[in-house]
Amino acid sequence: GENVEQHPSTLSVQEGDSAVIKCTYSDSASNYFPWYKQELGKRPQLIIDIRSNVGEKKDQRIAVTLNKTAKHFSLHITETQPEDSAVYFCAVGGGSNYKLTFGKGTLLTVNP
Amino acid sequence: GAVVSQHPSRVICKSGTSVKIECRSLDFQATTMFWYRQFPKQSLMLMATSNEGSKATYEQGVEKDKFLINHASLTLSTLTVTSAHPEDSSFYICSATDAGARAFFGQGTRLTVV
Repeated sequence: GENVEQHPSTLSVQEGDSAVIKCTYSDSASNYFPWYKQELGKRPQLIIDIRSNVGEKKDQRIAVTLNKTAKHFSLHITETQPEDSAVYFCAVGGGSNYKLTFGKGTLLTVNP
Repeated sequence: GAVVSQHPSRVICKSGTSVKIECRSLDFQATTMFWYRQFPKQSLMLMATSNEGSKATYEQGVEKDKFLINHASLTLSTLTVTSAHPEDSSFYICSATDAGARAFFGQGTRLTVV
């Protein structure tokens, strides 16, 4: 089955700095790569996603890049704010069953 | 994004009783829903895939007789934890996939078995 590795497990940055979280996956047939933000005690929220026919996607301060050859993708958050503090999960999907395999998560702390 | 509603958000039950959790897609139809379990400070562990009109597909190690899943309509899936025990205490969360294959999550259910 699919294996997803996510790094780092924790990340602390100063407000205004950028944050980058990386994920690698094992199944070259995977074609869908979403990122979720989960605040404590709340549901994961889809913040951005990318499909295998696109190399990069940006939405305001958030961007995701995908390297299919190397089988890795990254989340980039620029101009971080304290409200960006949360756990971020990458996920990998593909195929008709829509099943997602999640990374172990990254606890991002943005210090004011 | 699409809205998924999960109820109840919290439930406390006695050991040996059963608990039903509902997951509804409010503004879209979902032929596939997923049920996860999340332990504190850990990732989402897929328990089963719920398919409308057919039997659920369980992940390895998940007891199908313990965690009963019913997906009777395109907007509702239920998870019943049968004969609950303290070790079943956890955060259970569902997701529903829209036509664009995007997964949206319910609020989650904090189950405490005493």
